[in-house]
Formats: sequence, C-alpha cells, structure tokens
Amino acid sequence: NAGVTQTPKFQVLKTGQSMTLQCAQDMNHEYMSWYRQDPGMGLRLIHYSVGAGITDQGEVPNGYNVSRSTTEDFPLRLLSAAPSQTSVYFCASSTLLAGGRYEQYFGPGTRLTVT
Amino acid sequence: AQSVTQLGSHVSVSEGALVLLRCNYSSSVPPYLFWYVQYPNQGLQLLLKYTSAATLVKGINGFEAEFKKSETSFHLTKPSAHMSDAAEYFCAVSESNNDMRFGAGTRLTVKP
Repeated sequence: NAGVTQTPKFQVLKTGQSMTLQCAQDMNHEYMSWYRQDPGMGLRLIHYSVGAGITDQGEVPNGYNVSRSTTEDFPLRLLSAAPSQTSVYFCASSTLLAGGRYEQYFGPGTRLTVT
Repeated sequence: AQSVTQLGSHVSVSEGALVLLRCNYSSSVPPYLFWYVQYPNQGLQLLLKYTSAATLVKGINGFEAEFKKSETSFHLTKPSAHMSDAAEYFCAVSESNNDMRFGAGTRLTVKP
C-alpha cells in the first residue's frame, strides 16, 4: 500500500511552459485535492474532486486545471507557468469521517520553480 | 467563514521541556480540528484530530491537544520535547466536507 504518490519530486520550468503534476492513490478514496504551500501562508486549496468525473475550485484555482478520469489519479496541469506559481505542491487523498468531514493523507510533494 | 491562527511562527524549547504550540480557530459551525506535522522535505502527517467527541485528544509521538470552545482554541502540547520533534506543525479546521483551512504553521526547534 503506497498511499499517495506524486511525481516528479522536483521540477524547473521557464515562464510560459506547461506541465502536469501527477498524483495517484491506492486507498480507493473518493475525495482528492491539491494544495500549494508557500512560506508563512500554510497550505491553500487549489482544486478538489469528490469522485471520478467531478472537480471543483478551491481557494486559489487560477492558472491551474484538473481532471479526474479515474478514482486513483488526479493530475494538476499548469497551462502557462508563471513565477508566482513557484511553490511546493501537495496532493491529498481523504477518507470520510463520521460527521461528514474528511481526514486527509498527503503525498510527499513536488517542489516547482518557475524562472 | 472558517480560519485558523497559529500564534508564533517559531518556537524554541530545550530538550525535555514542555512543548506548547498555540492554535485559535474561527468557525460558524462546530468544527473538526486537526494538527499535522511536516518534517523537512516531506509531506504532512496527521498528529491528532478532534471530531466532536472527547475534548482532550491524544495523538502520536506523545502529543495531545485540548479543544476549548469558550476560548476557540486547540493548543498542541507535549510534556517533554525530544530532538526528533523538531519540525513544522500546522493546525487546520474543517467546517464542511469540501473545505479545510490551514494555519501558517509553527516551526519548532529543540535545543540540546
């Protein structure tokens, strides 16, 4: 049971380039999400998905795109990278607790630099 | 809207001393509250969670937290710090099943 895996671990992009950050989970969780972590700001939600074929925006969705074709995979796309997107990106997979809230399991992160 | 404030971006304690990391929350409904730990270059790992049951919650690695509704607080404590506790700690609040808000984090340093 690998949990949540993310690739790549590190990436450097030039402004305007596009790329996809991969995220996969083997826990059969319906809920998955993407966060970015910036110094002094904690984690901020980019996009989330409550199941295959269903996605929605979080707190900071601009410049990012997601899709969820399978339960296991939830890729995050940067369409045209900007220096403001330099950050550490975490994917999370969540199990539903009694009471309707989620407990999140995080991947190891992708450190992205945009020059 | 829900939010979390962690008081102190850096906390330094001596090995063997009490660890106290402060978290205050704002929520319009009974919240679920979480503490996560992040070691360097790693993802976040759940330490403990409050889900409206017992107000004193025990977690992994000897940490515990107490939910105090009157003070809107969920402070994290450990009686005796170990060198291995040095990490960044995040408090988070969840009001609904689609939203979790994180604090800015507190970096804990443990001095020998």
